[in-house]
Amino acid sequence: DARVTQTPRHKVTEMGQEVTMRCQPILGHNTVFWYRQTMMQGLELLAYFRNRAPLDDSGMPKDRFSAEMPDATLATLKIQPSEPRDSAVYFCASGKPGTANQPQHFGDGTRLSIL
Amino acid sequence: GQQVMQIPQYQHVQEGEDFTTYCNSSTTLSNIQWYKQRPGGHPVFLIQLVKSGEVKKQKRLTFQFGEAKKNSSLHITATQTTDVGTYFCAALYYGGSQGNLIFGKGTKLSVKP
Repeated sequence: DARVTQTPRHKVTEMGQEVTMRCQPILGHNTVFWYRQTMMQGLELLAYFRNRAPLDDSGMPKDRFSAEMPDATLATLKIQPSEPRDSAVYFCASGKPGTANQPQHFGDGTRLSIL
Repeated sequence: GQQVMQIPQYQHVQEGEDFTTYCNSSTTLSNIQWYKQRPGGHPVFLIQLVKSGEVKKQKRLTFQFGEAKKNSSLHITATQTTDVGTYFCAALYYGGSQGNLIFGKGTKLSVKP
């Protein structure tokens, strides 16, 4: 079964450190989404890409977060500098080309703890 | 911004009891998707509803889309312990691109054996 692969699965680091999370979308999928999940806020869309182009990153704090797709097989989400309030589970999801109502396929997530 | 309200937030049931979660929007939806997230897991797509009044079934799960396309429900008949998890609705609004799936806060279901 094709899967979205996220690394690392867990990350614990001190505040102020740079954090990089990686995502390999399912082969053939042309949309990639980054979500953040917390108990308080639920699932929040941070950014998404179609055909590697960023379409919307309005949900992302611009001063410290950045998202890129260097190629079709890799998406990255960086936090610099990290803060304790960034602690959350970060999910990447990908979707097939087509209409807007394609299902999203989620990776296992990166569980991030900022001390 | 657009929001989709999902209730209840939590539901505790005895195994064998039924369960329903509701999703409501103040604005007409283009379509709605449902996802399930097991504890410690990731959201997994269950189904998509597109047409007004649509009803779809997956074994013990029944999904409905309201006639006005402003609300949806997921009903589980005779819950089992394998149904434990959080159920999310995700709404797509007219004019929204694929990235504008708005997720509800989810209903966390626990099932007592």
